Amino acid sequence: NAGVTQTPKFRILKIGQSMTLQCTQDMNHNYMYWYRQDPGMGLKLIYYSVGAGITDKGEVPNGYNVSRSTTEDFPLRLELAAPSQTSVYFCASTLGAVDEQYFGPGTRLTVT
Amino acid sequence: EDQVTQSPEALRLQEGESSSLNCSYTVSGLRGLFWYRQDPGKGPEFLFTLYSAGEEKEKERLKATLTKKESFLHITAPKPEDSATYLCAVPYNNNDMRFGAGTRLTVKP
Repeated sequence: NAGVTQTPKFRILKIGQSMTLQCTQDMNHNYMYWYRQDPGMGLKLIYYSVGAGITDKGEVPNGYNVSRSTTEDFPLRLELAAPSQTSVYFCASTLGAVDEQYFGPGTRLTVT
Repeated sequence: EDQVTQSPEALRLQEGESSSLNCSYTVSGLRGLFWYRQDPGKGPEFLFTLYSAGEEKEKERLKATLTKKESFLHITAPKPEDSATYLCAVPYNNNDMRFGAGTRLTVKP
């Protein structure tokens, strides 16, 4: 099993551009999450999904959108990128709501 | 507001010098407390889950304990390869996890 994979690993965006961060898991997990991690800060939840077709906002959803059309994939869309979205983004998955989460390797995004 | 606080922010130890990391939480109705290890440039990796006060779990040089208000991660005779950031997290509401800011541990040979 590859676990949780994320692409790209690095990306530089100009202000106002858009992009999609890809996340795929091959563990047949129901729950998937997107977090951002800023230097010296913990992980902040952006969006999560409890199954295909079901998504909900986390703690910091503004400026982002998600979709979950399959169990495996949970892409994160950034529209009109802003410098405040410069961060490291992690995708995670888990079988149940209160189980340990499996994290991807992260995407380091810089918006200039 | 429910939150998770970790201390210290950073900890430097000599190899073999035992110490403890703290995670305090204010979330009501705890449904588990999770410890993760994060190496630079990588995603967090799961270490332990604790569910009830008094519970302890061990893995090599690490031992996690839980009380009603906080959890400790004890590191016994650490080695340089234990250097990492250690994160704790608790479930919040129904479906999300609230993480602390982490303790950055450095173990010098």
